[in-house]
Amino acid sequence: QSALTQPASVSGSPGQSITISCSGTSRDVGYFKSVSWYQQHPGKVPTLIIYADDKRPSGVSDRLSGSKSGNTASLTISGLQPEDEADYYCSSSSSGSSNCVFGGGTKVTVL
Amino acid sequence: QVQLTQSASEVKKPGASVKVSCEASGYTFTDYYLHWVRQAPGQGLEWMGRIRPDNGATDYAPKFQGRVTMTRDTSINTAYMEMSGLKTDDTAVYYCAKEYDVLTGYYPWGQGTLITVS
Repeated sequence: QSALTQPASVSGSPGQSITISCSGTSRDVGYFKSVSWYQQHPGKVPTLIIYADDKRPSGVSDRLSGSKSGNTASLTISGLQPEDEADYYCSSSSSGSSNCVFGGGTKVTVL
Repeated sequence: QVQLTQSASEVKKPGASVKVSCEASGYTFTDYYLHWVRQAPGQGLEWMGRIRPDNGATDYAPKFQGRVTMTRDTSINTAYMEMSGLKTDDTAVYYCAKEYDVLTGYYPWGQGTLITVS
């Protein structure tokens, strides 16, 4: 069982917006500004798309945005495109027994 | 450019040990934590631990404490992850990843090293 909770799957039609949640506790997601998100296409290496809760590395599409409220972080993909179909993982630093934790991953399907 | 290059895939017998290397280039190796993450076939990402290359300090996930050792050689900008007592469910792709900003983000990632325990 993963430390952070994500929905197993989310789907949407091209052009729509979808949101993936990432629920944790006050010892990780809610502790400091450290939530990051990764996109992983099948057979590929994960790639960083959001860090420090809501910052985008250079080169990442502005259709992807991160936010956080309390102990729940969210990733929103706007204007859904076929190439957005992938697995998405959240991660956070933690003051608990493990310094870093991941969510279980969310499979995004573009209908 | 910033790059992490990992050692090749290996096949091991149960009970054996394995040591995976991760060579860093394109940045000052000692300035950023280096993390290790694994992914079993069809499963999610699992954080294993991290090493601070400047002084060698390590932190491990409780699950791997006592079975995993992370080290580094600053003379060749290389980090290592050694796992002992391999079990069949340790079969996974093992990644190293550089910390992107203070306590947040992993980028880039190494290409991954498949360790098969059979």
